[in-house]
Amino acid sequence: DAKTTQPTSMDCAEGRAANLPCNHSTISGNEYVYWYRQIHSQGPQYIIHGLKNNETNEMASLIITEDRKSSTLILPHATLRDTAVYYCIVRVQHGSSNTGKLIFGQGTTLQVKP
Amino acid sequence: DGGITQSPKYLFRKEGQNVTLSCEQNLNHDAMYWYRQDPGQGLRLIYYSQIVNDFQKGDIAEGYSVSREKKESFPLTVTSAQKNPTAFYLCASSIVGRNSGNTIYFGEGSWLTVV
Repeated sequence: DAKTTQPTSMDCAEGRAANLPCNHSTISGNEYVYWYRQIHSQGPQYIIHGLKNNETNEMASLIITEDRKSSTLILPHATLRDTAVYYCIVRVQHGSSNTGKLIFGQGTTLQVKP
Repeated sequence: DGGITQSPKYLFRKEGQNVTLSCEQNLNHDAMYWYRQDPGQGLRLIYYSQIVNDFQKGDIAEGYSVSREKKESFPLTVTSAQKNPTAFYLCASSIVGRNSGNTIYFGEGSWLTVV
């Protein structure tokens, strides 16, 4: 079972910031928060990941609360091409017992509107 | 550009036939993976390989086979023993190493339909 909880769907106006929340209240100390997105009929696209510090890359920012029980993915200027299902995942970054194990929950369907 | 290439994108199989899905990566990643995704469902791990000439079963390996003769290639064969093969198949790869991170990157996927 997924260890994360996300809203089923969200809308965002084109050009505005999209803030996608994720709850992971049972996250362990050695588990990272990963974000992927998937457009219909395509493979999941890696976006960003973090452990406890906030992270930023060319695609998005990841804000992790101090207690690590929740996080927010921020797309600073959403475009129509950002419409997709966004998945928040927690996993241990290393360790043979979880090799390849990616438990995708239902994700959040983000609809960017003109 | 570096990436993971899966082929074919769409494949139709008659019942009783084996089919092979190709996966090639030029990212110089050590580990490669095969997943299956059914409509509205999450990913299920079929097989993975962390080094050439070695591979391990995932959660749903029955009816599938793989080989890893080259670092960049990890083909998946869906055999006739797989009773419900119609699905979206995803190949992925990652670096292996405690200090390098092991983010998993995906190909574009292959749709297999049994007719």
